[in-house]
Amino acid sequence: GQQVMQIPQYQHVQEGEDFTTYCNSSTTLSNIQWYKQRPGGHPVFLIQLVKSGEVKKQKRLTFQFGEAKKNSSLHITATQTTDVGTYFCAVPQGGSEKLVFGKGTKLTVNP
Amino acid sequence: NAGVTQTPKFRVLKTGQSMTLLCAQDMNHEYMYWYRQDPGMGLRLIHYSVGEGTTAKGEVPDGYNVSRLKKQNFLLGLESAAPSQTSVYFCASGAAVSYNEQFFGPGTRLTVL
Repeated sequence: GQQVMQIPQYQHVQEGEDFTTYCNSSTTLSNIQWYKQRPGGHPVFLIQLVKSGEVKKQKRLTFQFGEAKKNSSLHITATQTTDVGTYFCAVPQGGSEKLVFGKGTKLTVNP
Repeated sequence: NAGVTQTPKFRVLKTGQSMTLLCAQDMNHEYMYWYRQDPGMGLRLIHYSVGEGTTAKGEVPDGYNVSRLKKQNFLLGLESAAPSQTSVYFCASGAAVSYNEQFFGPGTRLTVL
């Protein structure tokens, strides 16, 4: 079945530093979603990318979808302590009713 | 709107005991899912449903059963709990549209001794 590799598994930064997590697939994706899970919380949808080369921004977060639609990245500029959590990418498996989640990147921010 | 709710929030079982986790959503979503989350393993799909009265297996279905008798509810059953089923269980729901986002419940933390 569809698999997606997410790296790094962990990232520790100083507050104010930038952060990037990557998702890679061996097959072309129809779309990719990103979720954030705060410590002790549940995953919350952030965004969906559909078009080749798409770039979307949400304040300090920048999401990119590769030209070949096989990879994606989430970049956070000038991290804050509120950014702490685990970021997951998710891609469709089979039809649109199922998602496969990456293993996530756990971000910790040192104030 | 409560969104997706799960009961109970915490549970401790002994090996061999049974229990049912209840998920309810008030968004009229067609799709519902049960995931388990273990350290370093991400979210793994146990079972899912694409509509009332339907269920299907996900990535890790063994040891679990599900039922979707009503559109708004999705039940996850453990007939004979094992320590390997110690995990955090999340329910999610989604609309039957292309590229649907999933809405997650707060989770149930289950420990099997």
